[in-house]
Amino acid sequence: DAKTTQPNSMESNEEEPVHLPCNHSTISGTDYIHWYRQLPSQGPEYVIHGLTSNVNNRMASLAIAEDRKSSTLILHRATLRDAAVYYCILASGGKLIFGQGTELSVKP
Amino acid sequence: DSGVTQTPKHLITATGQRVTLRCSPRSGDLSVYWYQQSLDQGLQFLIQYYNGEERAKGNILERFSAQQFPDLHSELNLSSLELGDSALYFCASSVVSNTDTQYFGPGTRLTVL
Repeated sequence: DAKTTQPNSMESNEEEPVHLPCNHSTISGTDYIHWYRQLPSQGPEYVIHGLTSNVNNRMASLAIAEDRKSSTLILHRATLRDAAVYYCILASGGKLIFGQGTELSVKP
Repeated sequence: DSGVTQTPKHLITATGQRVTLRCSPRSGDLSVYWYQQSLDQGLQFLIQYYNGEERAKGNILERFSAQQFPDLHSELNLSSLELGDSALYFCASSVVSNTDTQYFGPGTRLTVL
């Protein structure tokens, strides 16, 4: 299973943009890049996913490098409710292989 | 609210015992996944069922088994419990499988004493 590498933690100020990086140098052509987040005491929550092109939804944007070996999750205006562990996952064959994720803290 | 329900919310039992965790997927979802989250191992995929059939297997111990019933709800059976089985167990569901978005339930916290 292809692996991802993320920073253990990041800090952001409220209402500022946040860029969460992820490296996945062993990605295969059929792997989708998924981002999930887990708020304290809750189950993981889907954020966004993509294959090759950049993607936008109401929660975030996903920027995928041209060679697909890295991606960045962009939260356009961080709020206190965005404080969570963010997981970058390569999805193939149905199973999600979670890494350690990035713990995002948001300062008021 | 993801639409996925799990019961019970908490479970406390003793070593050597057997427990059953239950999951009801979102309406219309055919795939069910089970994950284990412990402090030292993080979130680990256990097993996936699609429309009643086992589809993929992860790091599931032989003491653990699961099934998906005709009404699409799923049960995870954990037997001969050990202290190390204490963890949060999450169920997720998706429409089909592979790259579909997975919707996670609130989890069952299992404590083995």
